[in-house]
Amino acid sequence: KAGVTQTPRYLIKTRGQQVTLSCSPISGHRSVSWYQQTPGQGLQFLFEYFSETQRNKGNFPGRFSGRQFSNSRSEMNVSTLELGDSALYLCASSSGLGTDTQYFGPGTRLTVL
Amino acid sequence: GESVGLHLPTLSVQEGDNSIINCAYSNSASDYFIWYKQESGKGPQFIIDIRSNMDKRQGQRVTVLLNKTVKHLSLQIAATQPGDSAVYFCAENKRLSFGAGTTVTVRA
Repeated sequence: KAGVTQTPRYLIKTRGQQVTLSCSPISGHRSVSWYQQTPGQGLQFLFEYFSETQRNKGNFPGRFSGRQFSNSRSEMNVSTLELGDSALYLCASSSGLGTDTQYFGPGTRLTVL
Repeated sequence: GESVGLHLPTLSVQEGDNSIINCAYSNSASDYFIWYKQESGKGPQFIIDIRSNMDKRQGQRVTVLLNKTVKHLSLQIAATQPGDSAVYFCAENKRLSFGAGTTVTVRA
């Protein structure tokens, strides 16, 4: 079974631009979560989607948004990029909500100049 | 807010020795804990989990201990190998911030 895939793997943007990242979960998984990883803050939860609905949200500004499609694929968008948005963005999928195991993708490395 | 956090940011271990990585959590109502391993250039990988109705759970060369009284979690790696060099995260359920993790370096 293929793992979680994320595209693109690397991205360079400038301040003020917007960016869209994509995540394809493991086949059959319906829950997708997004995390931001930085050296100083570690892994920070952004949001979780299940059956095309946002179920949980972390403490991030409204510039960070996401969505999930009927095939469970998910995208996250960051608008008006700031230097501090430079990070590794990780996507994780699981079969459902609750305390089941998450499987992470390799991440998208975003650099904001 | 609720949080989990690791005690030490770095741990250097001699190959063949046992490693112990510690983690504290603040939410006494938490009922599920997970340890992840993240190697360079990869996403976190599930190692082992434990539910709050257990004190100990063993996997292959790894053991997780849960002390609910002091809200402490530990991961023990037996006979540490070079391939164990990575960043280790503990997580409470799956949605909270994981913290910066503990970087384990194995010395040959």
